[in-house]
Amino acid sequence: AQTVTQSQPEMSVQEAETVTLSCTYDTSESDYYLFWYKQPPSRQMILVIRQEAYKQQNATENRFSVNFQKAAKSFSLKISDSQLGDAAMYFCAYSGGATNKLIFGTGTLLAVQP
Amino acid sequence: KAGVTQTPRYLIKTRGQQVTLSCSPISGHRSVSWYQQTPGQGLQFLFEYFSETQRNKGNFPGRFSGRQFSNSRSEMNVSTLELGDSALYLCASSFQLAGSYEQYFGPGTRLTVT
Repeated sequence: AQTVTQSQPEMSVQEAETVTLSCTYDTSESDYYLFWYKQPPSRQMILVIRQEAYKQQNATENRFSVNFQKAAKSFSLKISDSQLGDAAMYFCAYSGGATNKLIFGTGTLLAVQP
Repeated sequence: KAGVTQTPRYLIKTRGQQVTLSCSPISGHRSVSWYQQTPGQGLQFLFEYFSETQRNKGNFPGRFSGRQFSNSRSEMNVSTLELGDSALYLCASSFQLAGSYEQYFGPGTRLTVT
């Protein structure tokens, strides 16, 4: 069975600084996708970034980038130039095969200090 | 275009009652997935529907059921409510049944069972 592990329950970063959130996963599938979702206090789940497993190049979206290490089954999220609006719960998620089923990690609560 | 809508947004029910939650996907989306979010268990997959057919089901008791209509709207039903069913129920819609298509989440229905 596939699993997703986030070992950092809470993280804190100063505004304008850089922070990295960690995620590891386990799967025997060869075709899969990895995601980082953000859930602010409003509880609205928002997709931050997505990585296709077959792509070696790390995905980037503006201030957000990932470090995808396929052999190590590691998928970390780097947030550069942190802003107050980045404060939220961040979930790492996995999806494999012909399904939209997402397997979520336990989340990392990110606080941004002004 | 309009996002995913969920109704009602908040619900209070008594133990033993049943409840029906509704999810209207983004226009054109044929895939709808449901998730339960609790502080203790985190985000757990309930079911996934595509073109009115249940394609995938999570590890939940038979009290949890769902369906999808021809217009892609989906409902989930929980019978004989238990205190542990108190949770945020999220639905997500996508154009296709594949991780390559982004899933969009609704704002959730907060169910409280007393």
